[in-house]
Amino acid sequence: KAGVTQTPRYLIKTRGQQVTLSCSPISGHRSVSWYQQTPGQGLQFLFEYFSETQRNKGNFPGRFSGRQFSNSRSEMNVSTLELGDSALYLCASSPLRGSQETQYFGPGTRLLVL
Amino acid sequence: AQSVTQPDIHITVSEGASLELRCNYSYGATPYLFWYVQSPGQGLQLLLKYFSGDTLVQGIKGFEAEFKRSQSSFNLRKPSVHWSDAAEYFCAVGGESQGNLIFGKGTKLSVKP
Repeated sequence: KAGVTQTPRYLIKTRGQQVTLSCSPISGHRSVSWYQQTPGQGLQFLFEYFSETQRNKGNFPGRFSGRQFSNSRSEMNVSTLELGDSALYLCASSPLRGSQETQYFGPGTRLLVL
Repeated sequence: AQSVTQPDIHITVSEGASLELRCNYSYGATPYLFWYVQSPGQGLQLLLKYFSGDTLVQGIKGFEAEFKRSQSSFNLRKPSVHWSDAAEYFCAVGGESQGNLIFGKGTKLSVKP
């Protein structure tokens, strides 16, 4: 089975722009979660989607949004980019919801905001 | 508040030596505990997980972890470290009805030849 794929892998944007990141989960997985990883804050939960519905959201401003499609693929969008949004954005998928389901992580999208 | 603490930011061990990475958690309900490893430029790979039952769990790559409820700890161990184990290790906690994981800040492991 193919693993979780994320596109693009690297991205450079300037402040004020917006960006859309994509995540394709493992085939058959219906839950997708997003995390932001920075050297200072570590890994922080952004949001979780299951069956096209946002089920849980972390403590991030409204500039961060996401969605999930009927094929379980997910996108996250960051509007009005700030320098502090520079990070590795990781997507994880699991068959169903709940921490008892192993989350499989993609390689991440590294975003640099100039 | 739910949290995970990994007290050691960076550890260096000699190849062939034993390893123990510490993890302490704070979680109101029954915790599900995980250890992940991240190599440079890569995503996270699950090493092992604990939900219930035997408090000593075996994982991949020769790693094991022991859950100690009285100490709120879930330390990761390996009897003999290989150079390829150099990476960053993350401890995480979740709950039954909770889809997201709470991660520690990570411990970077360096291996001396």
